[in-house]
Amino acid sequence: EPEVTQTPSHQVTQMGQEVILRCVPISNHLYFYWYRQILGQKVEFLVSFYNNEISEKSEIFDDQFSVERPDGSNFTLKIRSTKLEDSAMYFCASPTGRSNTEAFFGQGTRLTVV
Amino acid sequence: QKEVEQNSGPLSVPEGAIASLNCTYSDRVSQSFFWYRQYSGKSPELIMSIYSNGDKEDGRFTAQLNKASQYVSLLIRDSQPSDSATYLCAVSRGGGFKTIFGAGTRLFVKA
Repeated sequence: EPEVTQTPSHQVTQMGQEVILRCVPISNHLYFYWYRQILGQKVEFLVSFYNNEISEKSEIFDDQFSVERPDGSNFTLKIRSTKLEDSAMYFCASPTGRSNTEAFFGQGTRLTVV
Repeated sequence: QKEVEQNSGPLSVPEGAIASLNCTYSDRVSQSFFWYRQYSGKSPELIMSIYSNGDKEDGRFTAQLNKASQYVSLLIRDSQPSDSATYLCAVSRGGGFKTIFGAGTRLFVKA
């Protein structure tokens, strides 16, 4: 079964530091998403990526966030200056199926900002 | 108004019973509807997708969609303790649009 792989599984960082989260999506999938889930809360959409461009982003995805595809296969989510409230699980997802919305999630990166 | 609403639960059912989970959504343009299962500390896992009004069955799971009422449901027959998890309802306009998740319903299946 195809997999979406995220690294690291857990990242602890100090407030104000930059973090980079990485994801290898399922190959040949056109769309790519990042979501986050604060502990005990719902899964929230951050940004979608299509054909090497951001196609949609939420109000959460402000100037502190950026997403890149540095080598044509991997994706990164960068948070420039982390805040305590950025502590959450960050999931990447490769959608497929009808209308490219059946999302396969990676195992997630738990980000803890101290 | 919340975009996707679910009863947070917990919903507790005995082993072997039918678990019924419900969801309403606000965006009338939504075209794709999903149920995800999420175990504690794990990522969401897609278990059902439905796109047309009516019922869709897959093993012990049946998804029901009523677009006129903006209502989606999931039935789990012969519930097992391993079904104990949080069930997330999610909707999308399709075509690469974002998927909006509900807060989830916690299900406990008692052995």
